[in-house]
Amino acid sequence: NAGVTQTPKFQVLKTGQSMTLQCAQDMNHEYMSWYRQDPGMGLRLIHYSVGAGITDQGEVPNGYNVSRSTTEDFPLRLLSAAPSQTSVYFCASSYEAGVGNEQFFGPGTRLTVL
Amino acid sequence: KQEVTQIPAALSVPEGENLVLNCSFTDSAIYNLQWFRQDPGKGLTSLLLIQSSQREQTSGRLNASLDKSSGRSTLYIAASQPGDSATYLCASTSGTYKYIFGTGTRLKVLA
Repeated sequence: NAGVTQTPKFQVLKTGQSMTLQCAQDMNHEYMSWYRQDPGMGLRLIHYSVGAGITDQGEVPNGYNVSRSTTEDFPLRLLSAAPSQTSVYFCASSYEAGVGNEQFFGPGTRLTVL
Repeated sequence: KQEVTQIPAALSVPEGENLVLNCSFTDSAIYNLQWFRQDPGKGLTSLLLIQSSQREQTSGRLNASLDKSSGRSTLYIAASQPGDSATYLCASTSGTYKYIFGTGTRLKVLA
């Protein structure tokens, strides 16, 4: 049981490049989400999904796309990277969002955009 | 819109001291409140989850309480140890399926 896995652990991009951050979970969780963590800002929700085929925006969705074709995977796409997207990105999952469900986090991806 | 606040932002205590970390939220219609620990450069580790119908949860030296009417949760750490040094975060969720995090309290326990 690997829990929530994220790849890559580190990434450096140039402005304008695109890339996909991978997130997978093996706990059959319905709810998955992406956060970014910046100094002094805490964790902010980017996008979330309540099940395969269903996604919605969080607090800071601009510049990011997501899709959820399977229960296990929830990739985050940066369409055209900007220096403001330099951050640490965390993926999380829970059995479902709502009453009494614990969130589990991946180890994070540290992204630098030059 | 739910807002979650954690005060203080940083705290230093001598080893062995009992301490309380605070978490305040603006919308009392929460489903649950979860406390996390984050070590430098690492992900978040879940410590305790309190459902909206509960008033407290305990795990070892940790005790978390929830008072929805006052919009507050506290994390009590008994007999603190240097290994407890980390950033502690709280997060809540309501019917919008969005978890909102506080900015955390950075704890340093001095040996």
